[in-house]
Amino acid sequence: AQSVTQLDSQVPVFEEAPVELRCNYSSSVSVYLFWYVQYPNQGLQLLLKYLSGSTLVKGINGFEAEFNKSQTSFHLRKPSVHISDTAEYFCAVRRTGANNLFFGTGTRLTVIP
Amino acid sequence: KAGVTQTPRYLIKTRGQQVTLSCSPISGHRSVSWYQQTPGQGLQFLFEYFSETQRNKGNFPGRFSGRQFSNSRSEMNVSTLELGDSALYLCASSKGQATSYEQYFGPGTRLTVT
Repeated sequence: AQSVTQLDSQVPVFEEAPVELRCNYSSSVSVYLFWYVQYPNQGLQLLLKYLSGSTLVKGINGFEAEFNKSQTSFHLRKPSVHISDTAEYFCAVRRTGANNLFFGTGTRLTVIP
Repeated sequence: KAGVTQTPRYLIKTRGQQVTLSCSPISGHRSVSWYQQTPGQGLQFLFEYFSETQRNKGNFPGRFSGRQFSNSRSEMNVSTLELGDSALYLCASSKGQATSYEQYFGPGTRLTVT
């Protein structure tokens, strides 16, 4: 079975400051890792994904994440946040050979002007 | 190209009734997955359909069912609604089940059961 833990339910950060949203996972099989963003009253949008290869993954809107197999982590980072980054962020895993995603409980990022 | 569309966007039903939600995937996508999002349980996988066949199912009671049509459009049905079924129901489509295929999510249908 797979599980995803997002350690912080809420993260307030000042505009133009860096941010890190933490994600840890557990799985008995190989998984692929994803970060999604959800703006109010909208569906989920893929920020980035790790399937294989380089452990540093760059996504949209200036976000990046690093896959750390030994620590089973996939933390999301942005060097300088904008007001428009205020949203809910979800870490998710998908086991190889399947299409369904297992999501973490989400982290609400609030950017303070 | 048009994204995933879900209808209706908002729905209010009474406990005990049944409801049908619709999802139209992106053109050319053959896989449709459904998720339930609630404040208490978060995002949970309901089921996935590919070429009109259910490929995978989450841990939900039999009151939750779905189907997929030959044009890849999908519907999900919830019978005998309970208050706890109030949620945002999200549909996601992808080309198939290959690793590299991204899932694209629709805006969701917000169901309120009173």
